[in-house]
Amino acid sequence: AQSVTQPDIHITVSEGASLELRCNYSYGATPYLFWYVQSPGQGLQLLLKYFSGDTLVQGIKGFEAEFKRSQSSFNLRKPSVHWSDAAEYFCAVGVGSGGGADGLTFGKGTHLIIQP
Amino acid sequence: GAVVSQHPSRVICKSGTSVKIECRSLDFQATTMFWYRQFPKKSLMLMATSNEGSKATYEQGVEKDKFLINHASLTLSTLTVTSAHPEDSSFYICSADRRTSGTYEQYFGPGTRLTVT
Repeated sequence: AQSVTQPDIHITVSEGASLELRCNYSYGATPYLFWYVQSPGQGLQLLLKYFSGDTLVQGIKGFEAEFKRSQSSFNLRKPSVHWSDAAEYFCAVGVGSGGGADGLTFGKGTHLIIQP
Repeated sequence: GAVVSQHPSRVICKSGTSVKIECRSLDFQATTMFWYRQFPKKSLMLMATSNEGSKATYEQGVEKDKFLINHASLTLSTLTVTSAHPEDSSFYICSADRRTSGTYEQYFGPGTRLTVT
């Protein structure tokens, strides 16, 4: 079975600084990889996803993530964070094919705090 | 973008009663919907996969007789927590699978906070 590890429970970053949130997965083949953001009172919003192709994926809100097969990682990055980026971030793995979908396996999340 | 709604957003019920939570895909049809449970400060845990017109598939450890799922149409799935107990108090989130160009993406509802007293 697949699993996802987000090693950082909390991360504090100054506004305007760069950000990297770590995600490692365990799965026998190449999984489908996702990053979601959850703000208080809001549903999960997809930031970006990786299915195949270019390993550097661009997402919404200025986020990007890089799939590194050798490290089983899919770290999320942003060059300059804004106070509105403060939220809970989840990395997730899906193992469904294009013709069928499985439920996602989520990491425990990383709580991002933005310092003024 | 695709929208998924959940109703109610918050519900308080007494121990022993049943509660129904609705999940609707508002602007697309979803053959498959998923139900997750999120504990405080914890990750989302997949409970079950809901397929339109067929029985739901439950994850290991999830009691199918306690968490009844019905997916009667391509836009609606319901989760009924039967004979609820305080330990069932949690945040329940649904998602709907939308296919685009050979890939898939799950769109999540805003969640339902269940409190059992």
